[in-house]
This record gives sequence, structure tokens and C-alpha cells, in this order.
Amino acid sequence: DSGVTQTPKHLITATGQRVTLRCSPRSGDLSVYWYQQSLDQGLQFLIHYYNGEERAKGNILERFSAQQFPDLHSELNLSSLELGDSALYFCASSLQLYNEQFFGPGTRLTVL
Amino acid sequence: GQQVMQIPQYQHVQEGEDFTTYCNSSTTLSNIQWYKQRPGGHPVFLIQLVKSGEVKKQKRLTFQFGEAKKNSSLHITATQTTDVGTYFCADTNNYGQNFVFGPGTRLSVLP
Repeated sequence: DSGVTQTPKHLITATGQRVTLRCSPRSGDLSVYWYQQSLDQGLQFLIHYYNGEERAKGNILERFSAQQFPDLHSELNLSSLELGDSALYFCASSLQLYNEQFFGPGTRLTVL
Repeated sequence: GQQVMQIPQYQHVQEGEDFTTYCNSSTTLSNIQWYKQRPGGHPVFLIQLVKSGEVKKQKRLTFQFGEAKKNSSLHITATQTTDVGTYFCADTNNYGQNFVFGPGTRLSVLP
């Protein structure tokens, strides 16, 4: 158990819908990263928040957005969902920049 | 943008054989991190390399950072079935603000 929690574990929805994925980092960790992993693919970095502020954006679509709240938990919002958005979404946290990342168990999103 | 490549993509070995995966970058790597993801699991941090030419060992695993900081390798001696999974390297860039992961090497170990 990495100490990072993600909810829900599974999510099945339809095209055009909007969903919110939630991540609670390890206690004390200031950084939260979001990644997308499609079937048998690598990890695509989406976005990074540090202590409530957005620090870096990767290959994140305009339909996707995220935020980190004062209690440091983070949410990833995916809207106007398409079939191709079906993937495993991981959140990871770290104490500071450059530190090791601790990954959550992931949320498996299926768009039908 | 930066590209991090890994070879091989897949490797099948007999239990007891050695295994090596290589990580190469189109640009100078900042800090290399290695992760292991078991089938159905999430990535788990293995190690971080920072200095040029650095070598670190963890039991049967040996990690190396190239002298020019453009490549890294992970070597497993005498593989076991517990080594099965995908091994990813990741570079931290932009002052640690974002990570670029390699595509991974999937290791299968036949008993």
C-alpha cells in the first residue's frame, strides 16, 4: 500500500459524459501528478500540482482539467468523453520535486 | 520535446537467466528514476540516479547512469518469477516539475 488513495476504482460511462476522478496523496506530500495509461501503453504525464499550484502540464487535452485543493487532495475532471479516453488513470504523490513518486492504485475508466 | 526510449520492448527469459533493459534519451537526462509495474498493479519506485556514471545495487538489481547522462540501464541477475512486470525509466525535467516516462520493457520469466 503506497498510501495514495484513488476513487473510484472503476468507472463506466458513455461518450459525451463528464467524470471526476479523485486522489488523496500520502500524508505530508505536496506534489500530485496525474498520468494516463492506455492498454499496454506507457505512462503519459498529464499534469502536476505542487502545494495547490499548477506546476507543469504534459499531454493533457483541453477537455481535461484538474485542481489541487487546500487539503492537498486533487481531482481530475474529464469532459466530453470519447471512446479513446478509456484508460487507467494514475495519480502519484511525492514529498518535494525530484523525489520518488508514490502511485495510487489507479482508476480504470471505460467509455462506451 | 524530449524523448525517452527503452529497449527491448519485450523480453522473455528462462528463470535464472540475466536480464538488462536500456533507457536512452534524445537529450541529457536530469535525474533518472526506475519503476516496476507488476501486471494489474501500479508503478512502484525502485531507485533514483543523479550523478554521471553512478552505479547502485539492490540485491540482484544493478542500476547504472551513463557517463554522458544520456542513458541508463537496469540489470537483473538470475531472474526469478517475482521479477515479472514492466520496468519503466523516467526522467525528471523542468526542475522536477514534470516527468517523462519511457515506454517500458515488459519482462516475462518462464519457470
